[in-house]
Amino acid sequence: EIHLVESGGGLVQPGRSLRLSCAASRFTFDDYAMHWVRQAPGKGLEWVSGISWNSGSIGYADSVKGRFTISRDNAKNFLYLQMNSLRAEDTALYYCAKGSNIRSDSLIDYWGQGTLVTVSS
Amino acid sequence: QSVLTQPPSASGTPGQRVTISCSGSSSNIGSNYVSWYQQLPGTAPKLLIYRNTQRPSGVPDRFSGSKSGTSASLAISGLRSEDEADYYCAAWDDSLSGGVFGGGTKLTVL
Repeated sequence: EIHLVESGGGLVQPGRSLRLSCAASRFTFDDYAMHWVRQAPGKGLEWVSGISWNSGSIGYADSVKGRFTISRDNAKNFLYLQMNSLRAEDTALYYCAKGSNIRSDSLIDYWGQGTLVTVSS
Repeated sequence: QSVLTQPPSASGTPGQRVTISCSGSSSNIGSNYVSWYQQLPGTAPKLLIYRNTQRPSGVPDRFSGSKSGTSASLAISGLRSEDEADYYCAAWDDSLSGGVFGGGTKLTVL
């Protein structure tokens, strides 16, 4: 069973930064694109960012473009999301998710359990 | 306001067949595959349908997907109480260069 474990969430003040991590196991990490998807409390799913297998192709939702940076370390099987200039509307459960192929536009086939980010003063 | 449009709620009685619609545009559903996800209360989403009509192993054949033009549908036959969940459609959007989800449909089994 594919394993995705997110960490790094917490309470942070508006304007500050936070870095999320996702440890991937039980599959060949560098054979697949990876994504971050978030879900605000009581709301639906929102795609945040995706990265191809070799980091050659990266995409962001307009709502986070210029503030968030996705990256991956294929040697360590880790996915990251650097979140800067955080806003109250970034408050959400952030899911790490595996793409179905190497491309950053691949759809998601597995999800982690999520890490909660709360932006509040 | 989600890019893909789903009804906010749907309901049915045990054994019934229900259908959930997902409406998009030429830049997403019209030109890319659609996936469907089931999110049980308090849990992470789970892939239900991929490439419009395909079921991952382990997903019962009571669940089926279809696509026509810029719309897609998820059908659940032989409804069971454990099917009560939120259901989301998703696709890649070529204009936005990003993934897009529907707003989700809360399915209630009466």
